[in-house]
Amino acid sequence: GAVVSQHPSWVICKSGTSVKIECRSLDFQATTMFWYRQFPKQSLMLMATSNEGSKATYEQGVEKDKFLINHASLTLSTLTVTSAHPEDSSFYICSARDVRQYQETQYFGPGTRLLVL
Amino acid sequence: QKEVEQNSGPLSVPEGAIASLNCTYSDRGSQSFFWYRQYSGKSPELIMFIYSNGDKEDGRFTAQLNKASQYVSLLIRDSQPSDSATYLCAVNVGQNNNDMRFGAGTRLTVKP
Repeated sequence: GAVVSQHPSWVICKSGTSVKIECRSLDFQATTMFWYRQFPKQSLMLMATSNEGSKATYEQGVEKDKFLINHASLTLSTLTVTSAHPEDSSFYICSARDVRQYQETQYFGPGTRLLVL
Repeated sequence: QKEVEQNSGPLSVPEGAIASLNCTYSDRGSQSFFWYRQYSGKSPELIMFIYSNGDKEDGRFTAQLNKASQYVSLLIRDSQPSDSATYLCAVNVGQNNNDMRFGAGTRLTVKP
């Protein structure tokens, strides 16, 4: 199968601190990973596309200086929420594209629940 | 027009019935289509993918694709309360057909 992990699964932090979330593809290499955010009872919102060895591509309205993405290897992408504020509290989910499959399926990690106090 | 459209629901069916979930998409060049299930508080998990026109069956799930009508559906036979979740339709779009776009999801409730 195609397994994607995320760490941590949940985090509580004080306003103003930075939080790093890791996304790993465990049994396949992922040149492309994606970061989503989901607020309660709302749809998935794509934040950015993370490409191994190059800069991430951010969706309109997502601040690249606030949400730092690093995709340093074929199995790891990190999202750092800098100077987090209560409005950043959300469910952050990564996915990884499995190019071994014919039509490049995305598999999701279990998500990270962030609460900023 | 949204790239991928789904009825938000909620769709409610009795246990044992067939649940029918529908999705339309706007990019005529799309070649691959996916259904994900998302339980409340969890991340989406892949149920099925379909590339060719027609039906594709996997256990109690059947995906149906009609590219001419730009329509993809998911049928769940013998629905169980454990099938209660939000179902996301996803379509690969773009020049390389690898840019995945998600619908907003249809919330399904299966009543015992």
